[in-house]
Amino acid sequence: DVKVTQSSRYLVKRTGEKVFLECVQDMDHENMFWYRQDPGLGLRLIYFSYDVKMKEKGDIPEGYSVSREKKERFSLILESASTNQTSMYLCATRVAEAFFGQGTRLTVV
Amino acid sequence: AQKITQTQPGMFVQEKEAVTLDCTYDTSDQSYGLFWYKQPSSGEMIFLIYQGSYDEQNATEGRYSLNFQKARKSANLVISASQLGDSAMYFCAMREGRGDKIIFGKGTRLHILP
Repeated sequence: DVKVTQSSRYLVKRTGEKVFLECVQDMDHENMFWYRQDPGLGLRLIYFSYDVKMKEKGDIPEGYSVSREKKERFSLILESASTNQTSMYLCATRVAEAFFGQGTRLTVV
Repeated sequence: AQKITQTQPGMFVQEKEAVTLDCTYDTSDQSYGLFWYKQPSSGEMIFLIYQGSYDEQNATEGRYSLNFQKARKSANLVISASQLGDSAMYFCAMREGRGDKIIFGKGTRLHILP
């Protein structure tokens, strides 16, 4: 079974803090994704990566950056967290269908 | 413009009835794929079914089938003989473009009534 692990289930951060959300997959997949999920808006793609050190912007990249130094790890970075970045963040990896992590519920206060 | 449109924010269906969840998509790619995911209240994302753009037959997985109408750019999910455990949020998604990114619709919340 594919395992996608997100480092935290719940996080509370202060406005202006730099926040790192980590995601690790154990299946040597090339493609990895970061989404945020908000009520009524579904899942929106923030960034994705199809290889080490390769990254592409998704639909809502503003305020976020990513890092993929190793194939198994894809990090989402909030350079200066803001309250409108309070959300559920989901990491996924895929070959065919996407496999998701358990999600990180981030609250920015 | 939205690439994946799910027009039903919520649905209420009697147990044992069949359910159709609507999904239309927009892409200029010739090669793409369509997915349906279920998200119960626990929050996990559960893959249900996949249809490739070149697949001639509609995909089926147990009680789930995907009604793929390519000319209409429609990929509706059909759940036969609904069960209480089918109550969840359902997302339609599409794989397309550079890097084979997957984009999602806004979802349909399905409530199965006893």
